[in-house]
Amino acid sequence: AQSVTQPDARVTVSEGASLQLRCKYSYSGTPYLFWYVQYPRQGLQLLLKYYSGDPVVQGVNGFEAEFIKSNSSFHLRKASVHWSDSAVYFCAVSEDYNQGKLIFGQGTKLSIKP
Amino acid sequence: EAAVTQSPRNKVAVTGGKVTLSCNQTNNHNNMYWYRQDTGHGLRLIHYSYGAGSTEKGDIPDGYKASRPSQENFSLILELATPSQTSVYFCASGDGTGKDTQYFGPGTRLLVL
Repeated sequence: AQSVTQPDARVTVSEGASLQLRCKYSYSGTPYLFWYVQYPRQGLQLLLKYYSGDPVVQGVNGFEAEFIKSNSSFHLRKASVHWSDSAVYFCAVSEDYNQGKLIFGQGTKLSIKP
Repeated sequence: EAAVTQSPRNKVAVTGGKVTLSCNQTNNHNNMYWYRQDTGHGLRLIHYSYGAGSTEKGDIPDGYKASRPSQENFSLILELATPSQTSVYFCASGDGTGKDTQYFGPGTRLLVL
């Protein structure tokens, strides 16, 4: 069965510092991988997704993620965070022929220190 | 712009009562989904639909029913609400492929007393 693990429930970084949020998945085939962001009191919004090609994918607001199949990972990165990046970030996985159902990780709450 | 709306945004219910959460999408997507969000669990799929008239069980369907009367509308029904169903519920729509981006509503906060 597919599963997604985000090992860090909370991450705090200083404004302007770099960021990495970790995501590992369990799936026997080649999955489709997503990062969604949830700002306070809002629904989820897509940051980026990977389904083929270049393993480094670019998203909105300077975010990127790298698919490393050998490590079953899809970590999210940003070179320099802004206070407005404070949010909860979810990694998710899907596959073909499953009606688009998503399996989510537990989420990582990102706090930015001024 | 993709749009998914949910009503109500907040709901307080009594144990044993019936609760209906409504979702509307203007994206003309075939698929719609209901998730619940709980601390430590992320989002978990309750029910989904791949078109008007269809409903399918997700990963945690017990205690919930769903209804998809039209392409645009998808409801989640708690016939006998319990305190364990206190949560935040999200509706989403998508085209139903694995590569699909899902578009989420703003959520409904449900408190069952």
